[in-house]
Parts: sequence; C-alpha cells; structure tokens
Amino acid sequence: SQKIEQNSEALNIQEGKTATLTCNYTNYSPAYLQWYRQDPGRGPVFLLLIRENEKEKRKERLKVTFDTTLKQSLFHITASQPADSATYLCALYGSSNTGKLIFGQGTTLQVKP
Amino acid sequence: DTAVSQTPKYLVTQMGNDKSIKCEQNLGHDTMYWYKQDSKKFLKIMFSYNNKELIINETVPNRFSPKSPDKAHLNLHINSLELGDSAVYFCASSQRNQETQYFGPGTRLLVL
Repeated sequence: SQKIEQNSEALNIQEGKTATLTCNYTNYSPAYLQWYRQDPGRGPVFLLLIRENEKEKRKERLKVTFDTTLKQSLFHITASQPADSATYLCALYGSSNTGKLIFGQGTTLQVKP
Repeated sequence: DTAVSQTPKYLVTQMGNDKSIKCEQNLGHDTMYWYKQDSKKFLKIMFSYNNKELIINETVPNRFSPKSPDKAHLNLHINSLELGDSAVYFCASSQRNQETQYFGPGTRLLVL
C-alpha cells in the first residue's frame, strides 16, 4: 500500500546547528514533492517544491534533496533559529494520486537557544 | 489582506446537528480544496473544486457536502455530526496547473 513516513518523534536541536528532516515514501511515483511549515493553530505554509528530475533545491537557509531511487527526500535548515521551531510536512503529488497532494504526518522541530 | 479565510474559526456543537464552514479566497485561484487534519496531525484531502466543478471527491461520508457558488468560495456542509468528525478542517486554494497550495487558518470542530 502507499505510504509516506516522516519521523513522528520531535527533533530537538541547538540554535545554529543544521536540522535535517526525512520524508520516506513507498509505492508512489511522485511527479514532485513539496515541503510545508505548520505553526500551532495555523494552516500549512508552502516552503519548497522539488521535481522528480531534480536532485536538490535551495532557498535561503533551506535545502531539499530528492532521491527517487531511495524514495526519500531530506529537508535541511542551516544555521537554525528558535523561530524555525514548527512542524514540517512533506507532500507528494503524482499522476497515480489522481492529481491530489498526499501529506505525511509531519515532524516537529524544536530549536533551542 | 487575508488570502484564504475561513469562518468560523471554532465550532463546538452537539452530535446530530448540521453545521457549515465557509471559505473564501481572494487570490484569483481557480481551484479550491477541503482538507481534514485529525488529532494525529495527518492532513487528508476531502474535496477539490476547479471553477465550481468537483474534481476530487475522496471516500468521505455523504454527510459531507461541499458547495462552490463561485470560484472564490467553497463551503462545506456537514449533516448529522458524529464524534469522529471532530478535527481541524482546512480550506486551500491554488491555480490550476500550479502546484503551490495556500491554506486558510483552519476551523476547529468539536462534536460533543
């Protein structure tokens, strides 16, 4: 069956370090993958999109990689700040999904000063 | 300016009641969505409309009925509310053939 897995345990890191979040999937052939940020009591906010033929995408302190062989995406936040503390969701989109986004359950990141 | 807005923000109601949630977007998008986020934080799509036409209809009980009076509005009506309907409901919008979705602030529904 199709599955998207993100680490359900919270990730706690020290300010200034690099945070790395993982998104693994099975039985999907995504055309692209997205990362969203969700703060408590708010809706998800789009951060980055990476397509199946792209290996890496960057935006300021954010970097996403996409390995379709491993069926995995890594999301990195460099020089992390307490303001980066939030839940990060990965979402897959593919033709087999009939055009809909499928979300993982998210990983909560806590950056300590 | 609020891009995607939902009302109400909180909804507490008794089992068996009927309720509606409203969504409006001022981004000029032609596709709108309803998602449900349960207590385990899974965000699952329920419906999608493109230019007032239903294009995604997940296996949602038929007690849930979306209505799109125009492409800027997508409302969700829920009949005979059950305890398991308690969740946060998010509306989102996007431009067709563009991938980024913009989410509203959510409606927190609690069925007692």
